[in-house]
Amino acid sequence: DIQMTQSPSSLSASVGDRVTITCRASQSISNYLNWYQQEPGKAPKLLIYAASSLQSGVPSRFSGSGSVTDFTLTISSLQPEDFATYYCQQTYSTPYTFGQGTKLAIK
Amino acid sequence: EVQLVQSGAEVKQPGESLKISCKGSGYTFTSYWIAWVRQMPGKGLEWMGNIYPGDSDTTYSPSFQGQVTISVDKSITTAYLQWNSLKASDTAIYYCAKLEGLTSPSDYWGQGTLVTVSS
Repeated sequence: DIQMTQSPSSLSASVGDRVTITCRASQSISNYLNWYQQEPGKAPKLLIYAASSLQSGVPSRFSGSGSVTDFTLTISSLQPEDFATYYCQQTYSTPYTFGQGTKLAIK
Repeated sequence: EVQLVQSGAEVKQPGESLKISCKGSGYTFTSYWIAWVRQMPGKGLEWMGNIYPGDSDTTYSPSFQGQVTISVDKSITTAYLQWNSLKASDTAIYYCAKLEGLTSPSDYWGQGTLVTVSS
């Protein structure tokens, strides 16, 4: 199985901050990397697919980059609704593993 | 509008069987993969497996192979996740999700089904 490691596991930030979350794959996954946001009590929501493509309807303050094994999710200016847990997922090969999640909290 | 509507919460005893459902609408059900994802209490997301409703081609995560069965009834555009003998450790929220393609992300998700297994 491909292991996905996110960092940090949690972070505190303020509204307006720029935040970066990283995700590392245990082997090359090309650009088969997706990012999801999960608010408490809700289903995950797709933010970024194919490492850097913004899903329709997602605000442009979200962006993704990277390839091969190292990827980042950046939120350019945090909004109150962005405080949630973020997961990366590889869909390069089954099983389609997720990272352990990054919980973004209000400072 | 694409929708995946899952069956309601279940409370079961260890050893019991269970089948939960996920009904797709608003798109061509037989043309897109459906995935099942587990989220144990307070934990992260775990991919369990995929099924292609068009021909019932199914792939399981090794962690779930033999523990659950994924199936589909395309006549009623519904996917299923089934257990023959539940364990307390099966307590979790289970999500179904639609995939645009086999290696694509999950672009639409069901609301989740909470399964509680307790004696």
